[in-house]
Amino acid sequence: DAGVIQSPRHEVTEMGQEVTLRCKPISGHNSLFWYRQTMMRGLELLIYFNNNVPIDDSGMPEDRFSAKMPNASFSTLKIQPSEPRDSAVYFCASSQTGTFYEQYFGPGTRLTVT
Amino acid sequence: KQEVTQIPAALSVPEGENLVLNCSFTDSAIYNLQWFRQDPGKGLTSLLLIQSSQREQTSGRLNASLDKSSGRSTLYIAASQPGDSATYLCAVSQGAQKLVFGQGTRLTINP
Repeated sequence: DAGVIQSPRHEVTEMGQEVTLRCKPISGHNSLFWYRQTMMRGLELLIYFNNNVPIDDSGMPEDRFSAKMPNASFSTLKIQPSEPRDSAVYFCASSQTGTFYEQYFGPGTRLTVT
Repeated sequence: KQEVTQIPAALSVPEGENLVLNCSFTDSAIYNLQWFRQDPGKGLTSLLLIQSSQREQTSGRLNASLDKSSGRSTLYIAASQPGDSATYLCAVSQGAQKLVFGQGTRLTINP
């Protein structure tokens, strides 16, 4: 299995630009999670989907952030407009119902907003 | 609100020693607890998952225990090796799906 796939691995953009992060979960997994990791706040859950439906987006910092999961094998996290404080590593993870919800993480996207 | 604390924040030990990493959480109503390993610039690798009804899990040189009533978990690493150097993260699940993470323990094993 290829594991969770994220792209791009690194993204550098200027303040005000739109940023789109992409994730492909492990085949057969029905839950998908987006996390953000910073030195100050550690790892925080932003949003998660179950069977492609957003279940909890209470961690999304503000309206500039949006996430979609159009099908079971693809999800996007979009930031528009981006700000320097959005600089962080964004992780995607997936899990499967019936496996005690063990989460498997992708390699992350390191976002730098200048 | 669930809070997860890991102590110490950093630990440096000589190769071959046995060591214990600690994790505490404030709300005992958890579904499970996971220990992860994170190498610099990399994603998280799941090491062990303990269900709320279990007391411990073992994988190779790793043993994780869970005392839900006291809100504590430990990760025991036997016969440490330089390749064990990484940051170890503890996370508890709320409502089965939401993981709340500690800040991690940065472990260095000196040859």
